[in-house]
Amino acid sequence: EDQVTQSPEALRLQEGESSSLNCSYTVSGLRGLFWYRQDPGKGPEFLFTLYSAGEEKEKERLKATLTKKESFLHITAPKPEDSATYLCAVGGSQGNLIFGKGTKLSVKP
Amino acid sequence: DSGVTQTPKHLITATGQRVTLRCSPRSGDLSVYWYQQSLDQGLQFLIHYYNGEERAKGNILERFSAQQFPDLHSELNLSSLELGDSALYFCASSPRTREKLFFGSGTQLSVL
Repeated sequence: EDQVTQSPEALRLQEGESSSLNCSYTVSGLRGLFWYRQDPGKGPEFLFTLYSAGEEKEKERLKATLTKKESFLHITAPKPEDSATYLCAVGGSQGNLIFGKGTKLSVKP
Repeated sequence: DSGVTQTPKHLITATGQRVTLRCSPRSGDLSVYWYQQSLDQGLQFLIHYYNGEERAKGNILERFSAQQFPDLHSELNLSSLELGDSALYFCASSPRTREKLFFGSGTQLSVL
């Protein structure tokens, strides 16, 4: 059964304090690894898709990396506006996305 | 703005009732997905339609049903509502399957 596990559940950082979020997955065949950002009361917003081990993508202060068993979302010098829940998902065998429970990030000024 | 429109934004109803949630996908997107999000379960896949046809079912209860119409909008029908059905319901669309999804802003359902 395809599974996605994210850690930590919550992360509190000071502004400028870099860190990483982890997403480990178990799939029968990787059909893409997706990162989303979700703000309270809103729908998830797409950030990145990764397809093969070694692939990396960047957007502003965020960088996503992928290995054969996990993905990391690196946040460099975060700002308070980066506070959100970050969701990881894998492409499922049914054509859907299977989501982890997310990491809630809080960045204090 | 993702381009996916969901109505209503909020819905408050009583146990035993039936409600309909509506979703308009992004222009040109043929795939529509429905997800349920609760605090303890995260985002759970319910059902997927592609160009009017049901393609896959996830953890969808028998009391729930959905359809996609010729104009590609979709409706999720929830009946015999229970307290535990209270959650955020999201619709998402994509041009095809196995691609990134664009989510609407959700319908917050409260069953009292």
